[in-house]
Amino acid sequence: QVQLVESGGGVVQPGRSLRLSCAASGFTFSSYVMHWVRQAPGKGLQWVTLITHDESYKYYADSVRGRFTISRDNSKNTLYLQMNNLRTEDTGVYYCARGSISRTTRMYTGMDVWGQGTTVTVSS
Amino acid sequence: NFMLTQPHSVSESPGKTVIISCTRSSGSIAANYVQWYQQRPGSSPTTVIYEDDQRPSGVPDRFSGSIDSSSNSASLTISGLKTEDEADYYCQSYDSSNHVNWVFGGGTKLTVL
Repeated sequence: QVQLVESGGGVVQPGRSLRLSCAASGFTFSSYVMHWVRQAPGKGLQWVTLITHDESYKYYADSVRGRFTISRDNSKNTLYLQMNNLRTEDTGVYYCARGSISRTTRMYTGMDVWGQGTTVTVSS
Repeated sequence: NFMLTQPHSVSESPGKTVIISCTRSSGSIAANYVQWYQQRPGSSPTTVIYEDDQRPSGVPDRFSGSIDSSSNSASLTISGLKTEDEADYYCQSYDSSNHVNWVFGGGTKLTVL
């Protein structure tokens, strides 16, 4: 079955770095765009970043641009999120999600499969 | 850039119908498809509606989606409410302007009492 499994979360001090991974299975990973979406404790969903299937395009939310880097290894069916210069406001659950594109308009739409999430806590 | 605004919470009785709204602040609601996600407590989100009104396989037909250009909003309708529908619901749309972004509404907590 289609599955996304995140790992790499933990407790880290402000200013430090962390690298998240997302292992994909059950579908042709190299054919899909992929997202990271986060959720602060008790808050709503916030889109973080997207990478196209061939890494040709990467988009970032303003709040993380310049600090976070998304990448992927299609040979390993794995998505990554390198997070540098972490801030307390980066605390939350980080979900990787498979992206979807409309078959009719060929435009991005949303996310159709989500992982279970990995928790990042930034605290001194 | 635009925002999606949802009511903070709604409540209804089992067996009844509830409608959750999602209003786009600028630009046409029809410009980009709207998706709806369900997030039960302690779980990750799942898609209940995609491309405005499409239901993924496995989602009951009690869930339906629509958009209304006159109010510039999208709606998620859940009929025949069950206690298992109690969850947070988020609308989401893609911002294809100069500033590419995937926009989420703030979420609506549905209580089935």
